[in-house]
Amino acid sequence: GAGVSQSPSNKVTEKGKDVELRCDPISGHTALYWYRQSLGQGLEFLIYFQGNSAPDKSGLPSDRFSAERTGGSVSTLTIQRTQQEDSAVYLCASSVERVGTDTQYFGPGTRLTVL
Amino acid sequence: SQKIEQNSEALNIQEGKTATLTCNYTNYSPAYLQWYRQDPGRGPVFLLLIRENEKEKRKERLKVTFDTTLKQSLFHITASQPADSATYLCARPTGGYQKVTFGIGTKLQVIP
Repeated sequence: GAGVSQSPSNKVTEKGKDVELRCDPISGHTALYWYRQSLGQGLEFLIYFQGNSAPDKSGLPSDRFSAERTGGSVSTLTIQRTQQEDSAVYLCASSVERVGTDTQYFGPGTRLTVL
Repeated sequence: SQKIEQNSEALNIQEGKTATLTCNYTNYSPAYLQWYRQDPGRGPVFLLLIRENEKEKRKERLKVTFDTTLKQSLFHITASQPADSATYLCARPTGGYQKVTFGIGTKLQVIP
């Protein structure tokens, strides 16, 4: 079956511009997660959704970052007024229910480059 | 804080040998640990989950151990092959088990 998909696969933008990253989770998965992976760094948790609600937004680096999920499916991560330090690979993952018991299935990621 | 520590240096081994990767955690023992594989340009792929009350778990050529005294998990790949070359990530639940913290990963290179 179809896995987690993300778009675009690559995004190059200029400093100060806004970007939107999209994630399509596996159908039926209620939990969805966003991570950021910088070169040589581990996965940095950003936010997770249980259904359409985001109980934990503590990982978002600043108020320039926001995310939403609609219909319990597609999620969008928005970065406003991008900065060079936002350059990274943004990974999305989904799981059947909640993190405590379920395996996460990752998408291929979106590589964001801020010039 | 609940941290996961992995040796960020690359591990090079000869084909056919057993590769052993280490994951150390801090604070209290988690209910489980997970191991993922990540290839360049790809998202991590789940390999194994070992629970706190399981000392060892196997899947084909993979073996994972969980030592709550040492606060450590070991990940073994027996009869290693060049196709096993990848970065391997260890992860533990945190934040009331509502999210997962990943280690930085260990890059394994199996030399033919």
